[in-house]
Amino acid sequence: AQKVTQAQTEISVVEKEDVTLDCVYETRDTTYYLFWYKQPPSGELVFLIRRNSFDEQNEISGRYSWNFQKSTSSFNFTITASQVVDSAVYFCALPNYGGSQGNLIFGKGTKLSVKP
Amino acid sequence: EAQVTQNPRYLITVTGKKLTVTCSQNMNHEYMSWYRQDPGLGLRQIYYSMNVEVTDKGDVPEGYKVSRKEKRNFPLILESPSPNQTSLYFCASSSLGSTGTEFFLKQFFGPGTRLTVL
Repeated sequence: AQKVTQAQTEISVVEKEDVTLDCVYETRDTTYYLFWYKQPPSGELVFLIRRNSFDEQNEISGRYSWNFQKSTSSFNFTITASQVVDSAVYFCALPNYGGSQGNLIFGKGTKLSVKP
Repeated sequence: EAQVTQNPRYLITVTGKKLTVTCSQNMNHEYMSWYRQDPGLGLRQIYYSMNVEVTDKGDVPEGYKVSRKEKRNFPLILESPSPNQTSLYFCASSSLGSTGTEFFLKQFFGPGTRLTVL
């Protein structure tokens, strides 16, 4: 079955610290996508990244980077030099390809608090 | 601007009083979906629709109805709301893509509707 585990419920750091959010997934599919979304206190869901299982190269976007390791079924997200504006709940997600349901399976989220 | 809109954004109601949360997208997407988000549970799919007049249950459909009479709209109906339906609701839409299976390349989410049932 498709499953996403975000074991860290809450993380608190001080501004400028680096922080890594863990995501471990289970899938029966041989090719798949993985996603990260950000949910700031205002509540909307902000798409951050989509990765294809074909591509295991790490990706960097400014202060954000993602480490995809197929061997350990992990897709971890690192924020370098965190800022207060990074405070949010972060979700990792995996598509449910079963049947035609077409939904994303979300982890339970990690709440990140960045303190000044 | 490409977007998914939801109304209302906030709603407080009482048990048993029928309500509808509207969802509309302007991207001509075939696929639309409703999720609910609860603390510690992440987002879970309620219903989805592959196209006009085609709807199906997601993982947590009990107590909800949907309809898809037009491509752009996908309302969520709570015929008799109960307190356990207090939640944050998201509508999402996506193109099916050239192969009909590319839902996931980018799902657009609405801003969310925070519902409280007393």
